Amino acid sequence: GQQLNQSPQSMFIQEGEDVSMNCTSSSIFNTWLWYKQDPGEGPVLLIALYKAGELTSNGRLTAQFGITRKDSFLNISASIPSDVGIYFCAGQRDSNYQLIWGAGTKLIIKP
Amino acid sequence: KAGVTQTPRYLIKTRGQQVTLSCSPISGHRSVSWYQQTPGQGLQFLFEYFSETQRNKGNFPGRFSGRQFSNSRSEMNVSTLELGDSALYLCASSYFPGQGNNEQFFGPGTRLTVL
Repeated sequence: GQQLNQSPQSMFIQEGEDVSMNCTSSSIFNTWLWYKQDPGEGPVLLIALYKAGELTSNGRLTAQFGITRKDSFLNISASIPSDVGIYFCAGQRDSNYQLIWGAGTKLIIKP
Repeated sequence: KAGVTQTPRYLIKTRGQQVTLSCSPISGHRSVSWYQQTPGQGLQFLFEYFSETQRNKGNFPGRFSGRQFSNSRSEMNVSTLELGDSALYLCASSYFPGQGNNEQFFGPGTRLTVL
């Protein structure tokens, strides 16, 4: 099925480092969502973006809706151990279409 | 408020069998969506139900079907199982349909293994 290009696929970082990940698409989206999935659980919504250029924060997380509407970025500042998990982006063209998901970025924090 | 519950949590089947998975949405939520998640592939949309009607369907073969009951509980069925159907099947509920503009709450998933 159709997917967004999400990168990186995985990240090994030290506690306290900042993290950046992004999603790109060849199609324009009107909604971008970022989710986090912990082991054994379903994804949980972190940030929702509905407008090109929008920059939204949720604690140490900041996400941006790209100006071209074909990409989105998620940054995590000062990572902590509980940030480990898989982060997914998801985009939607409009409410008549289903969400399209990225393959995920696995975040691992080195002890 | 109880979250989305899915049963069973784990299931092992053999090729050719059929399976039914169940999802109970959050109380008051009338929209239920189903996804298939495989490693490295993200989530693939299966279908969305609202008020007992299938509102949207992904690109899966007809072996995958679903339904929603009057209490908003939903089931999905996979017939003639194939090895490639091994995956985590996630259910998500929301008050209204439209997955992007209504926050979906996901259940923990049913891990299906086909041998």
